[in-house]
Amino acid sequence: DAKTTQPTSMDCAEGRAANLPCNHSTISGNEYVYWYRQIHSQGPQYIIHGLKNNETNEMASLIITEDRKSSTLILPHATLRDTAVYYCIVRVRSTGFQKLVFGTGTRLLVSP
Amino acid sequence: GAGVSQSPSNKVTEKGKDVELRCDPISGHTALYWYRQRLGQGLEFLIYFQGNSAPDKSGLPSDRFSAERTGESVSTLTIQRTQQEDSAVYLCASSQGVGSAEGEQYFGPGTRLTVT
Repeated sequence: DAKTTQPTSMDCAEGRAANLPCNHSTISGNEYVYWYRQIHSQGPQYIIHGLKNNETNEMASLIITEDRKSSTLILPHATLRDTAVYYCIVRVRSTGFQKLVFGTGTRLLVSP
Repeated sequence: GAGVSQSPSNKVTEKGKDVELRCDPISGHTALYWYRQRLGQGLEFLIYFQGNSAPDKSGLPSDRFSAERTGESVSTLTIQRTQQEDSAVYLCASSQGVGSAEGEQYFGPGTRLTVT
């Protein structure tokens, strides 16, 4: 019950931008879009989150459509180390109890 | 600063034995989570600690599973009489918790448990 849909896999050439889409058509007004990734044999890693405005940090950019029903995570210059499974989730932002529920995510393969 | 650490990184045990897994959260993080991840699957929530409040144990799959946390520091997850279906990676995460601006969870590297 992850409430998001993502492509199963994507390929990207090293140095190019990786654009990972996510659909969240049932998102509520107070729910944020979060992105995590999981590199093989490691724990999940927080990337970025946003509500309705586009966001950018040192790792990635997040573009959210005006109707908030979809978003795109952008890795501007993908490297081999960005090969991972990327998870898009929606949840209310809270400092209290928030168990994470991941869907199947998108397996991104960055090739030389 | 130091991230979340877990030990051991790998544990192989025989069916029926007890195991204890350890998590050291980020210093100052009041919230701590345990998750389980079976091969090729998503995260399965197990238990949540927040400060001195009673833990949320709603995700523990059976009474063979238990967890403790001393104050806002180390936590241990204990699995008694292990079964083969307990084989998984056990992940610990911490967050700044109540009263802070962030709720994002930061994960440790996990403990890979194999029950033979």
